Amino acid sequence: AQSVSQHNHHVILSEAASLELGCNYSYGGTVNLFWYVQYPGQHLQLLLKYFSGDPLVKGIKGFEAEFIKSKFSFNLRKPSVQWSDTAEYFCAVIAYNTDKLIFGTGTRLQVFP
Amino acid sequence: GAGVSQSPSNKVTEKGKDVELRCDPISGHTALYWYRQRLGQGLEFLIYFQGNSAPDKSGLPSDRFSAERTGESVSTLTIQRTQQEDSAVYLCASSFQGAGSTRETQYFGPGTRLLVL
Repeated sequence: AQSVSQHNHHVILSEAASLELGCNYSYGGTVNLFWYVQYPGQHLQLLLKYFSGDPLVKGIKGFEAEFIKSKFSFNLRKPSVQWSDTAEYFCAVIAYNTDKLIFGTGTRLQVFP
Repeated sequence: GAGVSQSPSNKVTEKGKDVELRCDPISGHTALYWYRQRLGQGLEFLIYFQGNSAPDKSGLPSDRFSAERTGESVSTLTIQRTQQEDSAVYLCASSFQGAGSTRETQYFGPGTRLLVL
């Protein structure tokens, strides 16, 4: 069965620190990959996605993620976080022959000024 | 509307009662999805609609759960004889096309927070 692992459950950073959130998935075939963000009191929003092409994808608010097929990973990065990045971040995968998103358990990011 | 909407936003019910949750997808989106998010856990897929048919019901946790979609628009998720373990946030998402080789982005609604006492 497909699964998604997010290794960091809770990350605490100071503003301007660099961020990397890990995401690994288990599926041997073609996948589409997503990072969603949920700000406090708001609903899930798409941060970025990878369907094909350049494995380094850029999303909103300075976030980027790199798809490394050999490592089954899609880690999220941001060089300098802001207090407004405080949120919960979810990695998700759709396998090529299915239509359901498989989500990781989420990473709660707290950024202190 | 501009986004996916869900109602009610919050629902408190007694164990054993039935509840109905509603989802209005983005206009023109053919695919609709229901997910559940229990406290401290990730999102769990429940069911997927392509048009009015449900090709994938694999995530429904028991026969107390059912869903329907009419007019390729509104969907309702019904939970019969609710149990305390049904307490969760129920999220709906829609996308332009769910089937085929193209996987379109899913856009999520705000969710319905269900509490079963």
